[in-house]
Order: sequence, then structure tokens, then C-alpha cells
Amino acid sequence: SAVISQKPSRDICQRGTSLTIQCQVDSQVTMMFWYRQQPGQSLTLIATANQGSEATYESGFVIDKFPISRPNLTFSTLTVSNMSPEDSSIYLCSASQNTQYFGPGTRLTVL
Amino acid sequence: GENVEQHPSTLSVQEGDSAVIKCTYSDSASNYFPWYKQELGKGPQLIIDIRSNVGEKKDQRIAVTLNKTAKHFSLHITETQPEDSAVYFCAASKGQGAQKLVFGQGTRLTINP
Repeated sequence: SAVISQKPSRDICQRGTSLTIQCQVDSQVTMMFWYRQQPGQSLTLIATANQGSEATYESGFVIDKFPISRPNLTFSTLTVSNMSPEDSSIYLCSASQNTQYFGPGTRLTVL
Repeated sequence: GENVEQHPSTLSVQEGDSAVIKCTYSDSASNYFPWYKQELGKGPQLIIDIRSNVGEKKDQRIAVTLNKTAKHFSLHITETQPEDSAVYFCAASKGQGAQKLVFGQGTRLTINP
């Protein structure tokens, strides 16, 4: 199974600022994804991080708000831009060959 | 698009008893169905998965069944232990797991000693 790490594990940010979350996988994987989990809720897919090309965003999520990079097969970043309190959530990255594994999450609080 | 419904939202069982969580999905093209366990403050952990060419899969105290005709799948935990207390999520995907997952709403399972 893939081992996935995320940085930072948690952060408290001021509204209007941006935060970049890093996701590192211990092996090369075909697919990487970013999910959001609002407090007490299920997971919702933000986007698929495509290696070498623009990410594919789900309905309700846009590149200007959640820019994503994936420079290689083991690393991706998600930026939460111009944050508001409504962005307070857990952000999770996942990696998949034919089984999907998740990182520990980044707990973001926006004041 | 795919829609996954999960029931119940909360479940409380006595230690040693069995627990069953059920999910239904809408897209007949879905062919991969994982179950995740999420403990407080942690990311989801894959506990078992099943692919559409299999009707049942078992791993020690955990089993999953799949009914493709009815488009539902279930998680069965036998001989429950306090450490089984967590939130459990079902999910569905096309592409045998290499594609995006659509999650159910989650079930908070509490094992009472």
C-alpha cells in the first residue's frame, strides 16, 4: 500500500490569505486526488491532480480558488486561495494505482 | 453522476455482537466499492474493498457483500470490539479503483463494552 504524507497537518489562517498544502507519496502512482471533508461530513472530491497537465475540477470547485500542481508522479500541492471561514475543513489527498489510499489530512481553520 | 446512499447514520452495538452497514449506488457502471474507517483526527483507512466480478469478500472479522442487480453493497463486522468504534464510509468508483471515489454519508459506529 502507498504511504502518503501531508504538510502541514493543521493550520489556523486569517481570512483573505492563502495556504498551500503538500502531499507526498512514497511510490509512483497513476492518480492523485484532493478531497474536502467539512466538519462532521463525508468526503467531497475537489479535483483530480493530473501529472504534467491542468487538474480536472469537480462541479462547484474552480481553479482560481483551488489551484493544484502535480509536477511528478509522487507529489502534488493544493492551494486554498483568498480564504474565508467557510473554507475551514479537512483537506485530504489520496493516491491510487487500482486501490485508493488517503493521507492523514490537513485541518484548516480560517478566522 | 453517481450517488451513494449509506445507512444507518449512527449504529450502536454491544461488544461481541455484529454490525451491518448498507450502501446503495445509482450508476450501474461503477465497478469498485471500498470501505474506509476513519478514527478521530485521522485520514480514512481502507479496510476492505470489492470489485464487481466478486459477490463477497472476507478478511478476518470483516466481510463485504455486493449485489450488482440491486446496486447495493454491505459491510459486516462480526465479534465487534471497542477498537471498531469509528466512522465508516462506503464509496463507489468506475475504473476498478483508479478513478475518483463518490462517498456515502458515513456511519458512526459505537461499540458498547
